[in-house]
Amino acid sequence: AQSVAQPEDQVNVAEGNPLTVKCTYSVSGNPYLFWYVQYPNRGLQFLLKYITGDNLVKGSYGFEAEFNKSQTSFHLKKPSALVSDSALYFCAVRDSFTGGFKTIFGAGTRLFVKA
Amino acid sequence: ETGVTQSPTHLIKTRGQQVTLRCSSQSGHNTVSWYQQALGQGPQFIFQYYREEENGRGNFPPRFSGLQFPNYSSELNVNALELDDSALYLCASSSHHDLAGLPDTQYFGPGTRLTVL
Repeated sequence: AQSVAQPEDQVNVAEGNPLTVKCTYSVSGNPYLFWYVQYPNRGLQFLLKYITGDNLVKGSYGFEAEFNKSQTSFHLKKPSALVSDSALYFCAVRDSFTGGFKTIFGAGTRLFVKA
Repeated sequence: ETGVTQSPTHLIKTRGQQVTLRCSSQSGHNTVSWYQQALGQGPQFIFQYYREEENGRGNFPPRFSGLQFPNYSSELNVNALELDDSALYLCASSSHHDLAGLPDTQYFGPGTRLTVL
């Protein structure tokens, strides 16, 4: 069965410092991995995805993520955090073994960027 | 903004009632997925519609049902509402596959906040 774990409920970082939001996954087939961000009272906004190809994926707003097959991880990173990055971040996975239609989301990690 | 719209924005119902939520997909998208996001949790997959048929379903009871129309818009219907149905309901639209035949990115609407009293 497919699953996603975001081990940190909250990540605190100072503005200008690098940030990392962690995600690990479990699937039966090939993983299709996504990061979304959610601001208060808003829907989810797509940041980036890994489907195939280069392990380092670059996305919106300066975010990037690295796919690590051996560690089954897909951590979200940004070299220099902004206060406006403060939001709720969700990692999600789709499993090629089950046809790739069902998206499983992690529980979310709240990012606080302090000025 | 994604171009995916949902209505209504907010809704209050009482236990046992029925509710219909609506979603208009982004132009060019033929697939709609519905998710339930309870407070403090990640979205949970309810089901997906493609070519007006249910294409896959999560662990939700049959009182959760849906429709997709020829213009690819969709409805989520919930019968016999329970208190635990209170949540943000999210609709996501996508193409069924991208040009490489791989799953396409889903783009989410702003959601409908349902409160069951």
